[in-house]
Amino acid sequence: QKEVEQNSGPLSVPEGAIASLNCTYSDRGSQSFFWYRQYSGKSPELIMSIYSNGDKEDGRFTAQLNKASQYVSLLIRDSQPSDSATYLCAPYSGGGADGLTFGKGTHLIIQP
Amino acid sequence: DAGITQSPRHKVTETGTPVTLRCHQTENHRYMYWYRQDPGHGLRLIHYSYGVKDTDKGEVSDGYSVSRSKTEDFLLTLESATSSQTSVYFCAISEGDSPRGYTFGSGTRLTVV
Repeated sequence: QKEVEQNSGPLSVPEGAIASLNCTYSDRGSQSFFWYRQYSGKSPELIMSIYSNGDKEDGRFTAQLNKASQYVSLLIRDSQPSDSATYLCAPYSGGGADGLTFGKGTHLIIQP
Repeated sequence: DAGITQSPRHKVTETGTPVTLRCHQTENHRYMYWYRQDPGHGLRLIHYSYGVKDTDKGEVSDGYSVSRSKTEDFLLTLESATSSQTSVYFCAISEGDSPRGYTFGSGTRLTVV
């Protein structure tokens, strides 16, 4: 049974600060990692992907991966109220049918 | 949600009735998935398809069946709806073995009364 653990939150961060979202996973065979953002009442939206150890930056978002520790994180710099959402971590273990395993998500609130 | 649509968007049905949800894609993606999302449980895989007429069960498949007669359409059927199947249902598509993540449809909110 593949497990993905995320702190459910809510995680409250002041506007303009850095939001740090963490995720651990159990399947050492996981090859790629995805972060989805889900606004209330909406469908998940892919915002970041990372495939190798280290950092990957895209605008205000930075994904960090440490496969040895089975840990992946998402940093959001200069947090905006529009970043308030639930963030889902999803490791990918290869093969479309096996596919993604989703964490339950972290509810992030950016306080103006 | 460009390229993937779900219908209906909302449905209320009575216990014991059959219900079919439809997922339609225009991306010609090989893989299609049905998830349900419930508070405290996150996204859980119901069934998936890896090609026309090729389907398999996910972790919460009891009470559900699926069919895929065309690449673009993936149907989810609740044979006899129960209140425990009240949920938000999402369809997702992916290109295949390429690790590019999934694209989700807008979801169907199903209420069984």
